[in-house]
Amino acid sequence: QQQVKQSPQSLIVQKGGISIINCAYENTAFDYFPWYQQFPGKGPALLIAIRPDVSEKKEGRFTISFNKSAKQFSLHIMDSQPGDSATYFCAAGGRFYSNNDMRFGAGTRLTVKP
Amino acid sequence: NAGVTQTPKFQVLKTGQSMTLQCAQDMNHEYMSWYRQDPGMGLRLIHYSVGAGITDQGEVPNGYNVSRSTTEDFPLRLLSAAPSQTSVYFCASSLTYGLHEKLFFGSGTQLSVL
Repeated sequence: QQQVKQSPQSLIVQKGGISIINCAYENTAFDYFPWYQQFPGKGPALLIAIRPDVSEKKEGRFTISFNKSAKQFSLHIMDSQPGDSATYFCAAGGRFYSNNDMRFGAGTRLTVKP
Repeated sequence: NAGVTQTPKFQVLKTGQSMTLQCAQDMNHEYMSWYRQDPGMGLRLIHYSVGAGITDQGEVPNGYNVSRSTTEDFPLRLLSAAPSQTSVYFCASSLTYGLHEKLFFGSGTQLSVL
């Protein structure tokens, strides 16, 4: 069973537009929500992460929005650029868990057209 | 600073063959892990280690074996390869096993089992 559901599977956005990727989780014990970015031929790399004591976290053009009651969180990429074209994975882990308990979404392939 | 190094990058095996995927990190990380990445499935944890001499199973351990004799190395062994093991394999490490520790991924091994 997939504990973290991610949508959409793929996304095409024009340069300068806003990219939005959504994730939903089931386990209420999850309290750490990172996003990883993966370029073709490379391993995933941590992009940004949020804990549920805040509803939003922003780093440059990347923002995580978190809705604890709905058990959903999303990644917004403002002013999307062709260099943002990559696969994005959301993940979730629990308060007393370690990295081995983190669960990943299926991934979203983002293409930003010039 | 090499980070996490995986070899080989590509491998083709016949059903029933065995092989070892190599992973080495030079960051003195305590925690190391192996993931497989399949389309529509995201990253799934195979095995992990919280220190030299200590290993444990992840979500999908069947058909794989690991050992950790040194802090630096964490090889993954396929005992008798099956077509279902066709996947991209990633090794990842973090300073400790704590949930909020950033995971560093290698660049992956693409494995095909015919």
